[in-house]
Amino acid sequence: QVHLQESGPGVVKASETLSLTCAVSGESIGFGYYWGWVRQSPGKGLEWIVAMYHSGDTYYNPSLESRVTMSVDTSRNEFSLKLTSVTAADTALYFCARRCPSGNCFDFWGQGTLVSVSS
Amino acid sequence: EKVLTQFPGTLSLSPGERATFSCRASQSVSGSFLAWYQQKPGQAPTLLMSEASIRASGIPDRFSGSTSGSSSGTEFTLTISRVEPEDFAVYFCQEYGSSPLFAFGQGTKLEI
Repeated sequence: QVHLQESGPGVVKASETLSLTCAVSGESIGFGYYWGWVRQSPGKGLEWIVAMYHSGDTYYNPSLESRVTMSVDTSRNEFSLKLTSVTAADTALYFCARRCPSGNCFDFWGQGTLVSVSS
Repeated sequence: EKVLTQFPGTLSLSPGERATFSCRASQSVSGSFLAWYQQKPGQAPTLLMSEASIRASGIPDRFSGSTSGSSSGTEFTLTISRVEPEDFAVYFCQEYGSSPLFAFGQGTKLEI
């Protein structure tokens, strides 16, 4: 069974960079799936952020692309998200997830980590 | 940008009743690219259905999905034939393929 676990600071100051890591167990992230990030806030609901293959092929949500960096570390079997210049609008529950083999959904999710942006 | 609208916003039912959730896209969506999720409080979404009608692993057969209209119709339905107590949650549809690549509906809450 694939298991994902997010980690990172629960509070980030406005204008700074949000950094999260997702540790994966039960599956090698270099095996052949895309991995990604989704966030959830009361105001915007569920919002997909980015998805990446271990080779580096990456898809971004255009609304966030200019601020997002995703990386994959196959040696540690984890992947990371960086979101720069955060504002209060970036306060959300951040989930990491595995893209379905079919490509059109997410089949395994982490439990989520709450990130609040403080002023 | 494609918009997915779910209705109703809240569905109030009793255990044993039939639940019907609708998801309408502002533009044509291929049935192959529509998924449904269930989310309980404090938990991540759980994939229920992919490609509009294919149950994910471990999902009971009281859950079913369908598309109305043509194969590229814009309205999708998730049905729970008989609601069980553990089914009370929020249900989201998700579309794949346009911009952004993955887009979610706003959700329908199933309450007792």
